[in-house]
Amino acid sequence: EAGVAQSPRYKIIEKRQSVAFWCNPISGHATLYWYQQILGQGPKLLIQFQNNGVVDDSQLPKDRFSAERLKGVDSTLKIQPAKLEDSAVYLCASSLAGGGETQYFGPGTRLLVL
Amino acid sequence: GENVEQHPSTLSVQEGDSAVIKCTYSDSASNYFPWYKQELGKGPQLIIDIRSNVGEKKDQRIAVTLNKTAKHFSLHITETQPEDSAVYFCAAREGTGNQFYFGTGTSLTVIP
Repeated sequence: EAGVAQSPRYKIIEKRQSVAFWCNPISGHATLYWYQQILGQGPKLLIQFQNNGVVDDSQLPKDRFSAERLKGVDSTLKIQPAKLEDSAVYLCASSLAGGGETQYFGPGTRLLVL
Repeated sequence: GENVEQHPSTLSVQEGDSAVIKCTYSDSASNYFPWYKQELGKGPQLIIDIRSNVGEKKDQRIAVTLNKTAKHFSLHITETQPEDSAVYFCAAREGTGNQFYFGTGTSLTVIP
């Protein structure tokens, strides 16, 4: 079974530029999560989708971050404009359903904002 | 929201010894507690989990215990091996929603 795929793996941008990350969850997984992991910290949930609907985006900085999951499969996370403090690893995870189902994480995208 | 604290932040053990990592949580309604192992450059991987209606769960060299009254849970790794070296995260799923809250991680080093 293929795991969660993410691209790109690394990205370096200047502050105020925009950037987009892509995630392809495990086939058949209805729930998709985007996490931000700052160096030395645990992952922090940014947004959770159930199929193509948003379940929780309470910690998403909506003035600069946006995410979508068209057709309930792939998802993109965008930052525009980026700030220095956005430097982090952005992790995508998926699960069969929400709640207490096991989350499977992708390898992450490491973002450096200069 | 939920608050998860994890200790210690770093842990070094000799190969063959046991390692214990502890987490506390604040929301008494939290009902699912997974543990993840994260190796350098990779995403977190689930190694064991426990639900609030269970006090202990074992899987070979790994065990997790849960004390609901005290609101803490622990990861136990016995007979540690060098390949156990990684960062370990605990997490708690809040009872009123679907969000997971993660601890700050423990960097485990197993010395051969």
